[in-house]
Amino acid sequence: KAGVTQTPRYLIKTRGQQVTLSCSPISGHRSVSWYQQTPGQGLQFLFEYFSETQRNKGNFPGRFSGRQFSNSRSEMNVSTLELGDSALYLCASSSGTEETQYFGPGTRLLVL
Amino acid sequence: DQQVKQNSPSLSVQEGRISILNCDYTNSMFDYFLWYKKYPAEGPTFLISISSIKDKNEDGRFTVFLNKSAKHLSLHIVPSQPGDSAVYFCAASDQGSGNTGKLIFGQGTTLQVKP
Repeated sequence: KAGVTQTPRYLIKTRGQQVTLSCSPISGHRSVSWYQQTPGQGLQFLFEYFSETQRNKGNFPGRFSGRQFSNSRSEMNVSTLELGDSALYLCASSSGTEETQYFGPGTRLLVL
Repeated sequence: DQQVKQNSPSLSVQEGRISILNCDYTNSMFDYFLWYKKYPAEGPTFLISISSIKDKNEDGRFTVFLNKSAKHLSLHIVPSQPGDSAVYFCAASDQGSGNTGKLIFGQGTTLQVKP
């Protein structure tokens, strides 16, 4: 089975811009979760989508949003980028009924 | 409030010996625990998990122990190999309260296995 894929792998944006990251889960997985990893805060949960509905949400501002499509692929959007949004953004998928999540390689976002 | 803590930022062991990585948690609602291994610039790789109804789970060289009364879990790697050198993250979830899909991670422990 192919693993979780994320595109793009690297991205450079400037403050105030917006960005969209994409995640394709493992085939058959219906849950997609997003995490942000920074040196200072570690790995932090952003949100989870299951069957096109946001099922859980972390403590991030409304600038961070996401959606899931009928094929379980998910996108994450960050609007009005800030310098502090520079991070590795990780997507993980699971069946939705068990908690083991499998991660993609991540998208490295640099905000200048 | 850090609900999952890995108090040792780093650990160094000799090849062939046992590596023991520790993790403490504060939220008694956590009912599922996982260990991930991570290399720089890559996503975490799932290693092993344990449900709160068990106190031990083994998979090859990896064993996870859970002590619910102490709110403590540990990952044992025996024997350690140089390829095990990476950052190890402990994660927990609270499925019973409907917080599915949400893993709470510790800060990680960097393991170095010396040849």
